[in-house]
Amino acid sequence: AQSVTQLDSHVSVSEGTPVLLRCNYSSSYSPSLFWYVQHPNKGLQLLLKYTSAATLVKGINGFEAEFKKSETSFHLTKPSAHMSDAAEYFCVVSPYFNKFYFGSGTKLNVKP
Amino acid sequence: DTEVTQTPKHLVMGMTNKKSLKCEQHMGHRAMYWYKQKAKKPPELMFVYSYEKLSINESVPSRFSPECPNSSLLNLHLHALQPEDSALYLCASSRTQDSGYGYTFGSGTRLTVV
Repeated sequence: AQSVTQLDSHVSVSEGTPVLLRCNYSSSYSPSLFWYVQHPNKGLQLLLKYTSAATLVKGINGFEAEFKKSETSFHLTKPSAHMSDAAEYFCVVSPYFNKFYFGSGTKLNVKP
Repeated sequence: DTEVTQTPKHLVMGMTNKKSLKCEQHMGHRAMYWYKQKAKKPPELMFVYSYEKLSINESVPSRFSPECPNSSLLNLHLHALQPEDSALYLCASSRTQDSGYGYTFGSGTRLTVV
């Protein structure tokens, strides 16, 4: 069975402090993994993806994620939050051909 | 061009109306998708087209009718919708149905059924 669990529905950080958004997955296959960001009333933008190459993946806007197979995790991090990072973040697992499983989302709030 | 363009951005329609949503991409992607997103929820897959042929229909009611006239264009025809169909409708495309490439999403059409 395939599933994605985003461990926090809401995360609040202060501007300039680190961001950690947690994602655990369950997959019978070696999956591709993605993080998408959605700003209010907008579509989804791809932040980064893991497709069985380097386990530390760098994305846009200073985000990165580390694939840990032993922990079945793919947590998203950023060293220093910016106000413009406030948005909804979705972790997505794709175990095989054209199947995408979305996590329930984490809303990131950035305080000035 | 690295975008998926959706029109209109907003649509209000009555339950007896017929309307269409349009999605266009010029990235040479051969797989295109319709997703439905309710407030505070993740997107839910509705349809997948691969090389202009419908490959996945996630048991969507027949009041939603997709169409892929060519490799750049995807339509979603709407007829006799219900208020609970109000949602953000997202179009996406990918190079092929091999999901390793990831999707490019449009900014969506906000649909309100009255």
